[in-house]
Amino acid sequence: GEDVEQSLFLSVREGDSSVINCTYTDSSSTYLYWYKQEPGAGLQLLTYIFSNMDMKQDQRLTVLLNKKDKHLSLRIADTQTGDSAIYFCAESITGDDKIIFGKGTRLHILP
Amino acid sequence: EADIYQTPRYLVIGTGKKITLECSQTMGHDKMYWYQQDPGMELHLIHYSYGVNSTEKGDLSSESTVSRIRTEHFPLTLESARPSHTSQYLCASSESSPTGPNTGELFFGEGSRLTVL
Repeated sequence: GEDVEQSLFLSVREGDSSVINCTYTDSSSTYLYWYKQEPGAGLQLLTYIFSNMDMKQDQRLTVLLNKKDKHLSLRIADTQTGDSAIYFCAESITGDDKIIFGKGTRLHILP
Repeated sequence: EADIYQTPRYLVIGTGKKITLECSQTMGHDKMYWYQQDPGMELHLIHYSYGVNSTEKGDLSSESTVSRIRTEHFPLTLESARPSHTSQYLCASSESSPTGPNTGELFFGEGSRLTVL
């Protein structure tokens, strides 16, 4: 069945780059997403990548997609304290209206 | 900014009470969803709707019920709350399926944190 896996915690020093990794099992994904959840709030779409792309860059964010290994990563350059949040990897499945979420990675910023 | 609203944001009630969590969106989205988020952060889909008078159960079995009488409104009801229902409940909506030019982005409300004593 469909499954999205990601590590639960990541600690990074302020100013360094953060890399959050995700693996998925369904090869018929249409879109892959990164959502951000700040404390006490709902999720907000951070960025997404279409399944026929390898890379997408948006300011400090870089998304890399390796379709062969079914691996998705999110790199945040120059990590700031405001980046402290939970990051969810998610995929949409072709022909299915549901979006499958990973369990979330909690990013902790060290001073 | 997403135009999807949930009330109440926080609710503490006693066992056996009936509660309704409200969710409204002003974006005209057909698809709406309820997720339950446990303390370990994982999201579980408990209900979804593809339009008026359409409701379906999600992947996680829930004792709650939902209704969709109007496009913009998707309330969730617990007839008799129990401590095991203590959780964060997130409502979301989307315009369409993720095909063609549509990314299928989900717009989330701020959540309703329910505590049942």
